[in-house]
Amino acid sequence: DQQVKQNSPSLSVQEGRISILNCDYTNSMFDYFLWYKKYPAEGPTFLISISSIKDKNEDGRFTVFLNKSAKHLSLHIVPSQPGDSAVYFCAASARYSGGGADGLTFGKGTHLIIQP
Amino acid sequence: GAVVSQHPSWVICKSGTSVKIECRSLDFQATTMFWYRQFPKQSLMLMATSNEGSKATYEQGVEKDKFLINHASLTLSTLTVTSAHPEDSSFYICSAIPRLAGGHVYEQYFGPGTRLTVT
Repeated sequence: DQQVKQNSPSLSVQEGRISILNCDYTNSMFDYFLWYKKYPAEGPTFLISISSIKDKNEDGRFTVFLNKSAKHLSLHIVPSQPGDSAVYFCAASARYSGGGADGLTFGKGTHLIIQP
Repeated sequence: GAVVSQHPSWVICKSGTSVKIECRSLDFQATTMFWYRQFPKQSLMLMATSNEGSKATYEQGVEKDKFLINHASLTLSTLTVTSAHPEDSSFYICSAIPRLAGGHVYEQYFGPGTRLTVT
């Protein structure tokens, strides 16, 4: 049972345009969401996160939007750059504030390809 | 900052032998470390949660006697794959949460991973 779903295995975007990566989740207990970037044979690198009390978080070229009612989040990258080409994982956690930490539940990833 | 290393980066072993993988937080102390496994073209799957000084918590379906986890210090956790079989071949990744994480208790920092091949 896939609790975090990234339905697009790959996405191709022209350099300079906006990249939008989507993620859906089914577990209503998730209250913290993260996006990671991963290159082959490397560990994921943290990009940006958002808690369920917010609907938007922005950090430079990266913005994450959360729609709790739809159980949907998206990562926007603008403008897209060649160095953004990588696999992007959406991850979720069910316990946010204090009291310990749970491991993350990951989606299968979306391979973003930025074309010059 | 927040660098996590893993050793070895890749290992090939024969079926039936045991392999130990180390995960170290280099510039911070980590109360909690996690071990994940990733099969080709699949997502990272959480195997276990490792807390310093206590027994690891394993996810459903992960054999604790096969995947031995030791978190002996605030900067080191080890995963030992015992009696390895070809189906254990995978990419094993650890992550760590800084001991003083401020408001970002789930900002996990990942190691580079270890590629295990069992022949």
